[in-house]
Amino acid sequence: EPEVTQTPSHQVTQMGQEVILRCVPISNHLYFYWYRQILGQKVEFLVSFYNNEISEKSEIFDDQFSVERPDGSNFTLKIRSTKLEDSAMYFCASSERGILSNQPQHFGDGTRLSIL
Amino acid sequence: AQTVTQSQPEMSVQEAETVTLSCTYDTSESDYYLFWYKQPPSRQMILVIRQEAYKQQNATENRFSVNFQKAAKSFSLKISDSQLGDAAMYFCAYRSQNSGGSNYKLTFGKGTLLTVNP
Repeated sequence: EPEVTQTPSHQVTQMGQEVILRCVPISNHLYFYWYRQILGQKVEFLVSFYNNEISEKSEIFDDQFSVERPDGSNFTLKIRSTKLEDSAMYFCASSERGILSNQPQHFGDGTRLSIL
Repeated sequence: AQTVTQSQPEMSVQEAETVTLSCTYDTSESDYYLFWYKQPPSRQMILVIRQEAYKQQNATENRFSVNFQKAAKSFSLKISDSQLGDAAMYFCAYRSQNSGGSNYKLTFGKGTLLTVNP
């Protein structure tokens, strides 16, 4: 069964540095998402992406964050100047656009980001 | 804004027994979807079951079933004949039905960690 894959599984970065988290969505999916989960807290929506543009973003997704689909397969989340509070598990997800709008989102394993 | 509450941070069940995980939500919308996702340790989140709010019949997937009470805004998950492989974090999630747009974001609860005892 096709899967969403995320790399790296764990990223350790110094505060203030830029970090790029990578995701390969399922190949025939058209909607892409990033979520994050701070340790002990809820999984929170960050951003959704469709047709090469952001379709929705949360208040968490400020100017520090950006997303890109640089080629036909990758979907990246860039954090420009990391802060300690960016330490979290980041999940990528994708869904297939179909007539039935209850198409589920398929999640990757996540990238654990640790900011030192 | 919608909120999802899972009041049980942890639950445990004996193998072969039945367990029910609670989920309540708050919304002003009448049409939406509800999901239960399972996240085994160090693994990806996997969809367990989904429910369309317009359907009165409770969804069932093999040993997994839901008790959807729309008026009470409650969406509990029942796992029958629990197996060791059911041990995981379980997340309840809400999604608007916005068929004309692209608003498919999920709103999650904090999760319930289920332990299955042999």
